[in-house]
Amino acid sequence: DAGVTQSPTHLIKTRGQHVTLRCSPISGHKSVSWYQQVLGQGPQFIFQYYEKEERGRGNFPDRFSARQFPNYSSELNVNALLLGDSALYLCASSSAGARDTQYFGPGTRLTVL
Amino acid sequence: RKEVEQDPGPFNVPEGATVAFNCTYSNSASQSFFWYRQDCRKEPKLLMSVYSSGNEDGRFTAQLNRASQYISLLIRDSKLSDSATYLCATSGGYNKLIFGAGTRLAVHP
Repeated sequence: DAGVTQSPTHLIKTRGQHVTLRCSPISGHKSVSWYQQVLGQGPQFIFQYYEKEERGRGNFPDRFSARQFPNYSSELNVNALLLGDSALYLCASSSAGARDTQYFGPGTRLTVL
Repeated sequence: RKEVEQDPGPFNVPEGATVAFNCTYSNSASQSFFWYRQDCRKEPKLLMSVYSSGNEDGRFTAQLNRASQYISLLIRDSKLSDSATYLCATSGGYNKLIFGAGTRLAVHP
Protein backbone atom coordinates (compact mmCIF):
# COMPACT_ATOMS: atom_id res chain seq x y z
CA ASP A 1 0.00 0.00 0.00
CA ALA A 2 1.14 3.54 -0.70
CA GLY A 3 2.12 5.68 2.22
CA VAL A 4 1.20 9.30 2.74
CA THR A 5 1.83 11.32 -0.39
CA GLN A 6 2.38 15.05 -0.66
CA SER A 7 2.73 17.48 -3.52
CA PRO A 8 4.64 19.36 -4.62
CA THR A 9 7.98 18.19 -3.18
CA HIS A 10 9.59 21.59 -3.50
CA LEU A 11 8.23 25.07 -3.97
CA ILE A 12 9.78 28.51 -4.25
CA LYS A 13 7.61 31.56 -3.67
CA THR A 14 8.13 35.24 -2.99
CA ARG A 15 6.90 37.24 -0.04
CA GLY A 16 3.21 38.12 -0.22
CA GLN A 17 2.27 35.22 -2.47
CA HIS A 18 0.00 32.40 -1.45
CA VAL A 19 0.64 28.66 -1.60
CA THR A 20 -1.45 25.47 -1.59
CA LEU A 21 0.05 22.19 -0.42
CA ARG A 22 -1.65 18.84 -0.92
CA CYS A 23 -1.70 15.59 0.97
CA SER A 24 -3.23 12.16 0.44
CA PRO A 25 -3.38 9.94 3.53
CA ILE A 26 -2.73 6.24 3.74
CA SER A 27 -5.68 4.32 2.35
CA GLY A 28 -8.24 3.81 5.10
CA HIS A 29 -6.92 6.63 7.27
CA LYS A 30 -9.46 9.36 7.94
CA SER A 31 -7.35 11.71 10.02
CA VAL A 32 -4.84 14.14 8.56
CA SER A 33 -2.58 16.45 10.53
CA TRP A 34 -0.28 19.19 9.25
CA TYR A 35 3.04 20.19 10.76
CA GLN A 36 5.64 22.84 10.03
CA GLN A 37 9.29 22.00 10.59
CA VAL A 38 11.87 24.76 10.41
CA LEU A 39 15.54 23.91 10.25
CA GLY A 40 16.93 22.64 13.52
CA GLN A 41 13.55 22.25 15.20
CA GLY A 42 11.03 19.49 15.64
CA PRO A 43 7.73 19.56 13.71
CA GLN A 44 5.17 22.06 15.03
CA PHE A 45 1.48 21.15 14.89
CA ILE A 46 -0.64 23.34 12.61
CA PHE A 47 -4.00 21.59 12.03
CA GLN A 48 -5.75 18.28 12.44
CA TYR A 49 -8.75 17.15 10.42
CA TYR A 50 -10.96 14.13 10.89
CA GLU A 51 -13.93 13.29 8.71
CA LYS A 52 -13.63 16.68 7.01
CA GLU A 53 -13.89 18.60 10.27
CA GLU A 54 -11.16 20.61 11.95
CA ARG A 55 -10.44 18.95 15.29
CA GLY A 56 -7.36 20.86 16.35
CA ARG A 57 -5.45 23.99 15.55
CA GLY A 58 -1.96 24.98 16.63
CA ASN A 59 -0.60 28.40 17.40
CA PHE A 60 -0.39 29.68 13.84
CA PRO A 61 -1.81 32.91 12.38
CA ASP A 62 -5.01 33.07 10.35
CA ARG A 63 -2.91 33.18 7.19
CA PHE A 64 -2.80 29.42 7.57
CA SER A 65 -5.91 27.47 6.66
CA ALA A 66 -6.72 23.93 5.65
CA ARG A 67 -9.51 21.68 4.57
CA GLN A 68 -10.20 18.00 4.10
CA PHE A 69 -12.09 16.53 1.20
CA PRO A 70 -14.60 13.63 1.08
CA ASN A 71 -11.81 11.28 -0.05
CA TYR A 72 -9.84 12.33 3.08
CA SER A 73 -7.14 14.13 1.15
CA SER A 74 -6.27 17.55 2.46
CA GLU A 75 -4.95 20.95 1.44
CA LEU A 76 -2.97 23.44 3.48
CA ASN A 77 -3.15 27.05 2.32
CA VAL A 78 -0.86 29.83 3.41
CA ASN A 79 -1.59 33.42 2.40
CA ALA A 80 0.62 36.49 2.40
CA LEU A 81 3.80 34.45 2.68
CA LEU A 82 6.58 35.68 4.93
CA LEU A 83 10.25 34.75 4.87
CA GLY A 84 9.69 32.92 8.16
CA ASP A 85 7.24 30.55 6.48
CA SER A 86 10.18 28.83 4.79
CA ALA A 87 10.08 25.31 6.19
CA LEU A 88 9.34 21.67 5.54
CA TYR A 89 5.59 21.15 5.67
CA LEU A 90 4.67 17.67 6.75
CA CYS A 91 1.38 15.87 6.49
CA ALA A 92 0.65 12.90 8.74
CA SER A 93 -2.21 10.44 8.66
CA SER A 94 -3.60 8.11 11.26
CA SER A 95 -6.42 5.64 11.63
CA ALA A 96 -9.24 5.76 14.16
CA GLY A 97 -8.29 4.24 17.46
CA ALA A 98 -4.59 4.30 16.63
CA ARG A 99 -3.76 6.07 19.89
CA ASP A 100 -2.24 9.06 18.16
CA THR A 101 0.19 7.03 16.05
CA GLN A 102 0.87 9.12 12.98
CA TYR A 103 2.69 8.35 9.76
CA PHE A 104 4.34 11.16 7.89
CA GLY A 105 4.55 11.95 4.21
CA PRO A 106 7.78 13.08 2.56
CA GLY A 107 6.90 16.73 3.04
CA THR A 108 6.87 19.83 0.88
CA ARG A 109 9.89 22.04 1.19
CA LEU A 110 8.77 25.64 0.86
CA THR A 111 11.26 28.43 0.29
CA VAL A 112 10.04 32.01 0.51
CA LEU A 113 12.32 34.62 -1.05
CA ARG B 1 9.83 25.82 29.57
CA LYS B 2 9.29 23.84 26.36
CA GLU B 3 6.68 21.10 26.49
CA VAL B 4 9.12 18.48 25.24
CA GLU B 5 12.86 18.87 25.71
CA GLN B 6 15.73 16.87 24.29
CA ASP B 7 19.49 17.18 24.43
CA PRO B 8 20.38 18.31 20.88
CA GLY B 9 23.68 16.43 20.87
CA PRO B 10 25.40 15.52 18.69
CA PHE B 11 26.21 12.18 20.22
CA ASN B 12 29.28 10.81 18.45
CA VAL B 13 29.70 7.10 19.14
CA PRO B 14 31.70 4.25 17.57
CA GLU B 15 30.03 1.33 15.89
CA GLY B 16 28.94 -1.27 18.40
CA ALA B 17 28.46 1.22 21.23
CA THR B 18 25.37 1.56 23.36
CA VAL B 19 23.86 5.03 23.45
CA ALA B 20 20.91 6.45 25.36
CA PHE B 21 18.84 9.59 24.84
CA ASN B 22 16.48 11.17 27.31
CA CYS B 23 13.45 13.30 26.64
CA THR B 24 11.48 15.22 29.28
CA TYR B 25 7.89 16.35 28.94
CA SER B 26 5.89 18.86 30.95
CA ASN B 27 2.28 17.66 30.52
CA SER B 28 1.64 15.02 33.15
CA ALA B 29 -1.64 14.15 31.40
CA SER B 30 0.14 12.88 28.25
CA GLN B 31 -0.83 9.28 27.51
CA SER B 32 1.09 8.41 24.37
CA PHE B 33 4.77 8.78 23.63
CA PHE B 34 6.76 8.20 20.48
CA TRP B 35 10.26 8.07 19.14
CA TYR B 36 10.72 9.03 15.51
CA ARG B 37 13.86 8.83 13.44
CA GLN B 38 14.55 11.56 10.90
CA ASP B 39 17.26 11.42 8.27
CA CYS B 40 18.61 14.65 6.82
CA ARG B 41 15.93 16.46 4.78
CA LYS B 42 13.54 13.51 5.04
CA GLU B 43 10.30 12.95 6.90
CA PRO B 44 10.17 11.55 10.44
CA LYS B 45 9.69 7.78 10.50
CA LEU B 46 8.07 6.09 13.45
CA LEU B 47 10.60 4.09 15.44
CA MET B 48 8.64 3.14 18.56
CA SER B 49 5.40 3.88 20.38
CA VAL B 50 5.39 3.85 24.19
CA TYR B 51 2.13 3.63 26.09
CA SER B 52 3.04 1.93 29.35
CA SER B 53 6.37 1.47 31.07
CA GLY B 54 8.36 0.62 28.00
CA ASN B 55 8.79 -1.08 24.68
CA GLU B 56 11.55 -3.09 23.02
CA ASP B 57 12.20 -3.76 19.35
CA GLY B 58 15.44 -5.50 18.52
CA ARG B 59 18.34 -3.24 19.40
CA PHE B 60 16.03 -0.43 20.48
CA THR B 61 14.45 -0.05 23.91
CA ALA B 62 12.22 2.79 25.02
CA GLN B 63 11.31 3.36 28.66
CA LEU B 64 8.76 5.67 30.22
CA ASN B 65 9.11 7.16 33.69
CA ARG B 66 5.84 8.91 34.51
CA ALA B 67 6.93 9.99 37.97
CA SER B 68 9.87 11.93 36.59
CA GLN B 69 8.13 12.72 33.28
CA TYR B 70 10.74 11.46 30.90
CA ILE B 71 11.13 8.82 28.26
CA SER B 72 14.39 7.32 27.13
CA LEU B 73 15.63 5.55 24.03
CA LEU B 74 18.45 3.04 24.28
CA ILE B 75 20.23 1.84 21.15
CA ARG B 76 22.47 -1.19 21.55
CA ASP B 77 25.19 -2.31 19.13
CA SER B 78 25.05 0.95 17.16
CA LYS B 79 25.32 0.70 13.38
CA LEU B 80 26.53 3.32 10.93
CA SER B 81 22.98 3.35 9.55
CA ASP B 82 21.65 4.50 12.93
CA SER B 83 23.13 7.96 12.28
CA ALA B 84 20.13 10.29 12.22
CA THR B 85 18.16 12.73 14.34
CA TYR B 86 15.90 11.11 16.92
CA LEU B 87 12.71 13.00 17.72
CA CYS B 88 10.71 12.47 20.87
CA ALA B 89 6.99 13.25 20.79
CA THR B 90 4.07 13.20 23.20
CA SER B 91 0.36 13.40 22.55
CA GLY B 92 -1.12 16.84 23.03
CA GLY B 93 -4.69 15.99 22.17
CA TYR B 94 -6.40 13.89 19.55
CA ASN B 95 -3.86 13.19 16.84
CA LYS B 96 -1.76 16.17 17.84
CA LEU B 97 1.87 15.42 18.55
CA ILE B 98 4.22 17.71 20.41
CA PHE B 99 7.81 17.20 19.36
CA GLY B 100 11.13 17.95 20.90
CA ALA B 101 13.82 19.55 18.77
CA GLY B 102 15.57 16.22 18.29
CA THR B 103 18.85 14.61 19.27
CA ARG B 104 21.50 14.07 16.62
CA LEU B 105 23.38 10.78 16.59
CA ALA B 106 26.52 10.19 14.56
CA VAL B 107 27.91 6.64 14.54
CA HIS B 108 31.45 6.40 13.22
CA PRO B 109 33.56 3.38 12.15
